[in-house]
Amino acid sequence: RKEVEQDPGPFNVPEGATVAFNCTYSNSASQSFFWYRQDCRKEPKLLMSVYSSGNEDGRFTAQLNRASQYISLLIRDSKLSDSATYLCVVNLLTGGGNKLTFGTGTQLKVEL
Amino acid sequence: DTGVSQDPRHKITKRGQNVTFRCDPISEHNRLYWYRQTLGQGPEFLTYFQNEAQLEKSRLLSDRFSAERPKGSFSTLEIQRTEQGDSAMYLCASSLKGGLQETQYFGPGTRLLVL
Repeated sequence: RKEVEQDPGPFNVPEGATVAFNCTYSNSASQSFFWYRQDCRKEPKLLMSVYSSGNEDGRFTAQLNRASQYISLLIRDSKLSDSATYLCVVNLLTGGGNKLTFGTGTQLKVEL
Repeated sequence: DTGVSQDPRHKITKRGQNVTFRCDPISEHNRLYWYRQTLGQGPEFLTYFQNEAQLEKSRLLSDRFSAERPKGSFSTLEIQRTEQGDSAMYLCASSLKGGLQETQYFGPGTRLLVL
């Protein structure tokens, strides 16, 4: 079983739609959680951290359920510029450092 | 542009050759990470430095791989006797030591193709 599992997609949605991505993680000792965005042939960039209380940043809402080991990302009013791969990431503090474990990513294509 | 730079951006080599990649982190960042990403997969952790000390290595990092950060600033990743399976994007990230929410900033990566 992979440590972080995501549906690879692609999710093809029309502009303006709401889309949700889900992710599960296997290591219950994971301590912090993130969504990263990666454009084609570019480096990953932090989109947002994920907290148990849920957090929102503009059109993006992230949620964490520790009991179910489940993370979600909701994008409202999707834009063409949201087209990218969204990586679910969990952090296991180890040796003093923050070792990020990435899912395979979910590809989003927003269309006119 | 996050401020993390990597060189070269692309490298094509023949199987059996040695290659070396360089990463320059954001100047005040004391932590530096190397990851590897293959097509269709997320990045995988390889190794991590705090200042000049290499504190953890993944089992993915075979004996053919070595990484250094001699002065606690830039880092190099060397692959000896390259194999076709080494073809991947090698990503470097840096961060300022913090808590669990510290942000890792990634460089543009070095794309390696082993023929």
